[in-house]
Amino acid sequence: NAGVTQTPKFQVLKTGQSMTLQCAQDMNHNSMYWYRQDPGMGLRLIYYSASEGTTDKGEVPNGYNVSRLNKREFSLRLESAAPSQTSVYFCASSGGYGPTGQFFGPGTRLTVL
Amino acid sequence: QKEVEQDPGPLSVPEGAIVSLNCTYSNSAFQYFMWYRQYSRKGPELLMYTYSSGNKEDGRFTAQVDKSSKYISLFIRDSQPSDSATYLCAMTVMDSSYKLIFGSGTRLLVRP
Repeated sequence: NAGVTQTPKFQVLKTGQSMTLQCAQDMNHNSMYWYRQDPGMGLRLIYYSASEGTTDKGEVPNGYNVSRLNKREFSLRLESAAPSQTSVYFCASSGGYGPTGQFFGPGTRLTVL
Repeated sequence: QKEVEQDPGPLSVPEGAIVSLNCTYSNSAFQYFMWYRQYSRKGPELLMYTYSSGNKEDGRFTAQVDKSSKYISLFIRDSQPSDSATYLCAMTVMDSSYKLIFGSGTRLLVRP
């Protein structure tokens, strides 16, 4: 039981490049989330998927797109990376029967030059 | 004004001390309150989870919620160097998205 896994762990991009961050969970959770964490800003929600087949914007969605591929997988895409997107990205999942808390992956450290 | 406010610290205490970590919030609709611990370069892990007002104890950790004051606390008894981490509070309303609103985190250092 791996919980929430994320790939890659580290990535360096040049401005304008694109990439997809992958996330998978094996806890049979309905809901999945993408956050970014910046110093002094805490965790900010980018997009979330309350259930398979649905996605919604969070607090800071601009510059990102998401795909809920199936119940297990939720990917985050940067179409044209900008230096302001340098951050640590966390994926999380939660069970669908009450707000029992979210369970986080290990994160992806992204640097955009 | 942020919905959830948390002192960033750092908070430095000697081993064995009682630690008090706090958050205030502005949205009276929040019903569920959580504390996460985040070690350096790791993902947050859920420590405690409480609903409504009152106390909840789990080993050396006690979570306290005062909804009338919009104030939550996490107490750590007999603090250990291994407790050194950033502690994030989080809260949510009861809707189908289960979105969490996080505080910015308090860095705790427990000195041996």
